[in-house]
Amino acid sequence: AQTVTQSQPEMSVQEAETVTLSCTYDTSESDYYLFWYKQPPSRQMILVIRQEAYKQQNATENRFSVNFQKAAKSFSLKISDSQLGDAAMYFCAYWSRDDKIIFGKGTRLHILP
Amino acid sequence: EAGVAQSPRYKIIEKRQSVAFWCNPISGHATLYWYQQILGQGPKLLIQFQNNGVVDDSQLPKDRFSAERLKGVDSTLKIQPAKLEDSAVYLCASSLRGSYNEQFFGPGTRLTVL
Repeated sequence: AQTVTQSQPEMSVQEAETVTLSCTYDTSESDYYLFWYKQPPSRQMILVIRQEAYKQQNATENRFSVNFQKAAKSFSLKISDSQLGDAAMYFCAYWSRDDKIIFGKGTRLHILP
Repeated sequence: EAGVAQSPRYKIIEKRQSVAFWCNPISGHATLYWYQQILGQGPKLLIQFQNNGVVDDSQLPKDRFSAERLKGVDSTLKIQPAKLEDSAVYLCASSLRGSYNEQFFGPGTRLTVL
């Protein structure tokens, strides 16, 4: 069975600095999707970024980018120029071909002014 | 475009009582999900519908939880009878089709079982 591990329960970063959140996963599949979701204190979860496993190029969305290392089964999220609005819980998620999605336990990100 | 709607937002009940949650997904979204999110953890999928059919309910405690998706649109999740360990936020989400697409989440219902 697939698993998703986020080893950093909490992280802090100074405003305008760069921070990287870690995620590792375990799977025997070769084709899958990976996601980072953000859950601000209001609880409504939103998609930050998505990566297709067959694509070698790392996905980017404005200040958010990923470092996808398929062989190492690693999928980290980099947030550049951190802003106060980036403070939230961040969840890494894995989608498998049988249309199941598994979330990690999350990393709480604090932005220090 | 209206988002995913959920009600109620908060619910407090005593153990062994029953409770029901309602979800209205984004119009046109074929896939609907119910998640349980216990404090400090990631969402755990309870049940996934494709239109009005169940795709995955392997983690739904069927002795006390039930869910239905009326006419492939709205959905209700029921707990009967509730236990203390059911205290959590219940999230509803929807996607166009399949969870490889972006899921849109509702605000959730915070359930407290006393």
